[in-house]
Amino acid sequence: QSVLTQPPSASATPGQRVTISCSGSRSNVGSNFVYWYQQLPGTAPKFLIYRNNQRPSGVPDRFSGSKSGTSASLVISGLRSEDEADYYCATWDDKLSAWVFGEGTKLSVL
Amino acid sequence: DVQLVESGGGLVQPGGSLRLSCAASGFTFSRHWMHWVRQAPGKGLVWVSRIRGDGNTGSYADSVKGRFTISRDNAKNTLYLEMNSLRVDDTSVYYCVREGAYFDGSGNVLYYYGLDVWGQGTTVTVSS
Repeated sequence: QSVLTQPPSASATPGQRVTISCSGSRSNVGSNFVYWYQQLPGTAPKFLIYRNNQRPSGVPDRFSGSKSGTSASLVISGLRSEDEADYYCATWDDKLSAWVFGEGTKLSVL
Repeated sequence: DVQLVESGGGLVQPGGSLRLSCAASGFTFSRHWMHWVRQAPGKGLVWVSRIRGDGNTGSYADSVKGRFTISRDNAKNTLYLEMNSLRVDDTSVYYCVREGAYFDGSGNVLYYYGLDVWGQGTTVTVSS
């Protein structure tokens, strides 16, 4: 069982907006920046959002992140078929002195 | 281009050992914390270990503490993970990952920005 809680799955149709949540505690999400990763089938994770809401160069502005208290969210707007992937949140945990990941959310684009 | 290329994975019996390597290129390797993250078949990402740029500080997940050793050779731009007393539940794809950072003109870290560059992964299978 992961320290960070994500819904196991999410789905939406092309063009819609979907939100993926990530819930933690004071020692992790509550105290540190949250990062998001996209993993397409059979590939390595891709850096998607850093420092809660910043996009690395090359990531479309359809992807946005936010954080409030001990929860964070990833929002994907204008959903496209190529967004179908697993999405993971991650952060540092001060109590564990370790990086922690959510269990991942499998996004289906119907 | 910034690149990380892992090697050394394979099939090993329970109780055996394996050494993973990660060749880095396209950035000043010695400036960055480096990490290993693993992913068991059909499962999520799990952080394994990290090491500071100068190689003097490292830490481990509880599940591998005492069995795995992280190290680096900055002259060769290479990260290593020595894995001993391997168990069936160590079976995973192992990713080498850079921790991104912004530096000032003197090379001091202004801030870190997460696990930003990932290798393609190397597969470790522990089975009899």
